[in-house]
Amino acid sequence: EAGVTQSPTHLIKTRGQQATLRCSPISGHTSVYWYQQALGLGLQFLLWYDEGEERNRGNFPPRFSGRQFPNYSSELNVNALELEDSALYLCASSSQGSDQPQHFGDGTRLSIL
Amino acid sequence: GEDVEQSLFLSVREGDSSVINCTYTDSSSTYLYWYKQEPGAGLQLLTYIFSNMDMKQDQRLTVLLNKKDKHLSLRIADTQTGDSAIYFCAESYTNAGKSTFGDGTTLTVKP
Repeated sequence: EAGVTQSPTHLIKTRGQQATLRCSPISGHTSVYWYQQALGLGLQFLLWYDEGEERNRGNFPPRFSGRQFPNYSSELNVNALELEDSALYLCASSSQGSDQPQHFGDGTRLSIL
Repeated sequence: GEDVEQSLFLSVREGDSSVINCTYTDSSSTYLYWYKQEPGAGLQLLTYIFSNMDMKQDQRLTVLLNKKDKHLSLRIADTQTGDSAIYFCAESYTNAGKSTFGDGTTLTVKP
């Protein structure tokens, strides 16, 4: 069974640009979660999507947004990139039920120059 | 409120047991998890325990939960060099969609 897959592996952008990160959940999982792992800040919850809807959002500005598609894959968009957005962005998926174990992908390393 | 705390570093000798500790503050958590992160990789779910359980054993891993003290531990028996990684404790809540993670414990296994 394929795990959670994320693309691209690495992404290099400059300040002010926009970034799009992609995530495919484990087959059969309907919930997708996004986390930011910045150096020195640990894992911070960004967004939770389930059945195509945004269900919960962490303490991040509106320039962090996303969506979930009918096939349950998801995109995370970050607009007006700032230097402090440099981080590893991790996607996780779970079966329905927000307290179900979350399985993580290997992340997208976003570097802002 | 939600807060998960772990000690930052643990060093053990190969073959010894490792015990990684975690404390949490939110008694409404439903599941508690242990994840492993190796350099350059994502988080690997190692094991998890439902909040009404006291103990769970899975091969070399033993999870102990003291709900009264809000204390969770992960014991790794016969620790190997391949166990060197960062270990994260996390808790989840019904209908919140997020897990709250500790800052991770870096386990170093010396030959």
